Amino acid sequence: QVQLVESGGGVVQPGRSLRLSCAASGFTFNSYVMHWVRQAPGKGLDWVAVVTDDGSKKYYADSVKGRFTISRDNSKNTLDLQMNSLRAEDTAVYFCAKEGGTIPPDAFDIWGQGTLVTVSS
Amino acid sequence: EIVMTQSPATLSVSPGERATLSCRASQSVSSNLAWYQQKPGQAPRLLIYGAFARATGVPARFSGSWSGTEFTLTISSLQSEDFAVYYCQQYNNWPPKYTFGQGTKLEIK
Repeated sequence: QVQLVESGGGVVQPGRSLRLSCAASGFTFNSYVMHWVRQAPGKGLDWVAVVTDDGSKKYYADSVKGRFTISRDNSKNTLDLQMNSLRAEDTAVYFCAKEGGTIPPDAFDIWGQGTLVTVSS
Repeated sequence: EIVMTQSPATLSVSPGERATLSCRASQSVSSNLAWYQQKPGQAPRLLIYGAFARATGVPARFSGSWSGTEFTLTISSLQSEDFAVYYCQQYNNWPPKYTFGQGTKLEIK
């Protein structure tokens, strides 16, 4: 079935780096725009970054621009998020999400279960 | 940045009754508006896209409508499994700056 599975979360000190991954299955991965969305504890949803289907274009929320890098490997059906210079306010559950259509923009029809990132000394 | 404002923050409704949730966009997003349901410890689930189209597998008691920049999610007869947090999201921009509302918690009265 269509599935997204995130990994790579954990506890990291402020200023350090962490890399998240999202493994996709059950759909033609290279046909869809993919996103990262985060949710701080007890808070709402916050869009983080997006990459186009071929990986050529990437866009970021202002809060992470210059620190986070989204990438994808269409040969492995994986989506990554490299997070550098982490701050306490980056503490959140990070979800990967798939756009519903092959022509963006569109709603997010499939979400992973999320991976928790805690930034703390 | 387009700001999405949901109201109310919390809605208390009895099972079997109708629930009406609102979402207002700070500027036009056309019909590029989605609604998601999120239960504790779970990922969001897409309910409505294109302001009124139900996603696959979503029961008919969920419906979406809009007028201008005002969007409404209606749940016609609440079931126990419907008590959750609901988020609206606009996806009108490309390059994207997709934004979510702050959420409405639907609780049992």
